[in-house]
Amino acid sequence: AQKVTQAQTEISVVEKEDVTLDCVYETRDTTYYLFWYKQPPSGELVFLIRRNSFDEQNEISGRYSWNFQKSTSSFNFTITASQVVDSAVYFCALSEAQSGTYKYIFGTGTRLKVLA
Amino acid sequence: DTGVSQDPRHKITKRGQNVTFRCDPISEHNRLYWYRQTLGQGPEFLTYFQNEAQLEKSRLLSDRFSAERPKGSFSTLEIQRTEQGDSAMYLCASSLANSHYGYTFGSGTRLTVV
Repeated sequence: AQKVTQAQTEISVVEKEDVTLDCVYETRDTTYYLFWYKQPPSGELVFLIRRNSFDEQNEISGRYSWNFQKSTSSFNFTITASQVVDSAVYFCALSEAQSGTYKYIFGTGTRLKVLA
Repeated sequence: DTGVSQDPRHKITKRGQNVTFRCDPISEHNRLYWYRQTLGQGPEFLTYFQNEAQLEKSRLLSDRFSAERPKGSFSTLEIQRTEQGDSAMYLCASSLANSHYGYTFGSGTRLTVV
């Protein structure tokens, strides 16, 4: 069965600290996609990154970086030098290719609070 | 194109009333998805359309829920005889078919049933 686990419900950090948000997934599909979305208080889900199951390269985009490890079924997200504007709920999601639907299975989210 | 639009942003209704939400996807996107998000949870898949065809419905979508996408453009989600358990954020998203590049989500409609 497909499942995404975000064990950290809420994290608080002081501005400029680094923070890592964990994501562990379960799937039997060999072709799948992993995503991170940010949900600020306004409610809209903002796309951050997509990874396919065949690409285990880590990625860096500015202060954001992602570590994908198939061996541990994890897709963790690190924010370097956090800022108050990073405060939001962050969701990890899994999409399996086999069904053709490309529907997402979301985790329960991690609320990040960055304190000034 | 201004992205995915949802209307209304907020809706308060009395239990037992019917409500209808509208979603306008990005114009060139032929896939449209509806998700429901309750407090403290991640969004859950409800249904999706490819063009005007509704191709999959979740078991979460009870008989009181119906979704349409006439002419493959905007979509509506109707909830009949609302219950307090229907209170949630209803999110719409769109994408290109066979695109694995992720959806674009709208800002959602927050429904409160009193």
